[in-house]
Amino acid sequence: DAGVIQSPRHEVTEMGQEVTLRCKPISGHNSLFWYRQTMMRGLELLIYFNNNVPIDDSGMPEDRFSAKMPNASFSTLKIQPSEPRDSAVYFCASSFLQLNTEAFFGQGTRLTVV
Amino acid sequence: GNSVTQMEGPVTLSEEAFLTINCTYTATGYPSLFWYVQYPGEGLQLLLKATKADDKGSNKGFEATYRKETTSFHLEKGSVQVSDSAVYFCALSPMNYGGATNKLIFGTGTLLAVQP
Repeated sequence: DAGVIQSPRHEVTEMGQEVTLRCKPISGHNSLFWYRQTMMRGLELLIYFNNNVPIDDSGMPEDRFSAKMPNASFSTLKIQPSEPRDSAVYFCASSFLQLNTEAFFGQGTRLTVV
Repeated sequence: GNSVTQMEGPVTLSEEAFLTINCTYTATGYPSLFWYVQYPGEGLQLLLKATKADDKGSNKGFEATYRKETTSFHLEKGSVQVSDSAVYFCALSPMNYGGATNKLIFGTGTLLAVQP
């Protein structure tokens, strides 16, 4: 398996523009997580899905952020409009829905909003 | 609530030195505990895990013991190598009596730099 695949790897956009980050989880996994990593706040869980259903979105910073999982093999994280403070590395991770299991991370998308 | 506290870095060691990175947690019930490692420019990879009190997780010479009495899961390695230079994250997966949960809550990470 190729692992969790994220695209793009790098994104530079202007403030106010819409940004869409994409994730393909490992085949067969039924939980998917979106994390944000910054120097100031470390690694934050934004939202996670079980069986394509959002379970906990309490980490989503504000209404400008939205996430979808239309099927088991694809998820998007959208920021509209983007702001400079959204600059961070965004990670997607997937796992099996069961206790004590580990998550497998993608390589991340480095987002820079100028 | 659930949280993880790690020692602040960076930790700078010479090759073959002994490593300890402290991790303590706050959680209800019996969480599972993990150490992840992040090499430059990459995503996080699982290093080891422990799922109940007194369990010892080990991998690649690293080990950590789940200590419920001190709510700790310190990472140790007897002899570090330059290739161990990375950021290390302690994490917990809370126990949810309502059903299975695999949500991970991470510490802030500790940068380890090993010099030749």
